[in-house]
Amino acid sequence: DTEVTQTPKHLVMGMTNKKSLKCEQHMGHRAMYWYKQKAKKPPELMFVYSYEKLSINESVPSRFSPECPNSSLLNLHLHALQPEDSALYLCASSQSTQTGIGETQYFGPGTRLLVL
Amino acid sequence: AQSVAQPEDQVNVAEGNPLTVKCTYSVSGNPYLFWYVQYPNRGLQFLLKYITGDNLVKGSYGFEAEFNKSQTSFHLKKPSALVSDSALYFCAVRPSEDTDKLIFGTGTRLQVFP
Repeated sequence: DTEVTQTPKHLVMGMTNKKSLKCEQHMGHRAMYWYKQKAKKPPELMFVYSYEKLSINESVPSRFSPECPNSSLLNLHLHALQPEDSALYLCASSQSTQTGIGETQYFGPGTRLLVL
Repeated sequence: AQSVAQPEDQVNVAEGNPLTVKCTYSVSGNPYLFWYVQYPNRGLQFLLKYITGDNLVKGSYGFEAEFNKSQTSFHLKKPSALVSDSALYFCAVRPSEDTDKLIFGTGTRLQVFP
């Protein structure tokens, strides 16, 4: 089973709202990732969690706040977003980031976010 | 700079014909190379990867890719295309085992015509 689930599938929010995206995997993976993807563009890495600790923050604005409550869950808290933040937000997971092997990242279906 | 290039924005092929989607890379060490496919309004699905060993890698749905170190290429191939293969294909490289990052190419849209 290589399934990563994401909720909600679609989200519309105003610029003053607070919302959260959720990602879950039950593959025993210890690394989880958030990506942002604009239409017809490649995914852009936002955050990496390794063993539930934030290991990479790609200079993402503070209006995006990640959280990893446990090894199976990854959240992305959204607050005071801008219309240009509208995109497909993808979560991914991999076995580990520390094995030194070319670990495969498995992606969820994404949450399509529209900021009005 | 470490990078991945997919020189073709779109590839058109007739159903039943062989297909090739091109990818070249530029990294300083030994790369880990991946191909992903994305269908409309979906996440990325893993197709195959090259870590080490045989230069010809076989993956899902009949796809394969050939690693060519001298040409720094990792082209995706399939002997006989299906209309259902029409999608957006991304090549990606993990430059070394010391980084968690995947560097993605810009993507190639594959259109298979009946």
